[in-house]
Amino acid sequence: GAVVSQHPSRVICKSGTSVKIECRSLDFQATTMFWYRQFPKQSLMLMATSNEGSKATYEQGVEKDKFLINHASLTLSTLTVTSAHPEDSSFYICSAREATGSRTEAFFGQGTRLTVV
Amino acid sequence: RKEVEQDPGPFNVPEGATVAFNCTYSNSASQSFFWYRQDCRKEPKLLMSVYSSGNEDGRFTAQLNRASQYISLLIRDSKLSDSATYLCVVSNPRDYKLSFGAGTTVTVRA
Repeated sequence: GAVVSQHPSRVICKSGTSVKIECRSLDFQATTMFWYRQFPKQSLMLMATSNEGSKATYEQGVEKDKFLINHASLTLSTLTVTSAHPEDSSFYICSAREATGSRTEAFFGQGTRLTVV
Repeated sequence: RKEVEQDPGPFNVPEGATVAFNCTYSNSASQSFFWYRQDCRKEPKLLMSVYSSGNEDGRFTAQLNRASQYISLLIRDSKLSDSATYLCVVSNPRDYKLSFGAGTTVTVRA
C-alpha cells in the first residue's frame, strides 16, 4: 500500500515556541493532504485541507494564522503550530490520497504527539 | 447530528467469539465507506473498504445498508490481536474529505 511518512513522531516544546511537522507521500503524488488532530479518547477532527500550490482550506474554528500549512510539492505538506500553548498539546496526523486513479481511501502518517509545556 | 456515529463500546469478548457493531452516517449521498483500525497512540490503518453491498476479508465482514444509512463490521473467531479501536469513516462525495466516527473499542480477552 501507499506510504505516508510523518516527522517528528514526538515533540516537546515550550509555550510560545513554534513547531513544524512534515508529512511526505513516499511512493505516490498527493495533490491533497489532510491534517487532523486527535485529543485523548476522541475522534480525529479534520483541521485543514492542504492543496499543492494553493492556500489551505481550514475547517470552522481552526485558526489559520496559528496553524500554518504549506504544500510546496506533490509529496510534501508541512504544518507549523505557531506560538504553541499547552492546550495545543495533541496528536496530529496527516493523510494523503493518491492524485490519480479511482481510489479514495486515505493513507495516514504515523502521527506526531505534541506536548507543550 | 454528527456526520458519523458509532457505538463507543467497549466490547469485551473472549477469544474465539464473534463481535459486531454498527455505524450510522448522515449524508445519504456518501458513496465510499471504510473501516480503519487504530491502536493506542498509533495512526489509523485501513482495515477494509466498503464500496457496494458489503465485503468479506478473512475473519472480517463489512455490510452496507444504504436505505438505513449504516455500515457494520463483524469479526469472527476473535484474536487477542484484534483488540483495538475501530473507526468508521465516510468519504464526502463532493470533496473526498473523510469524516470519522469516534471509534468502537474492542477488547479480546484470553
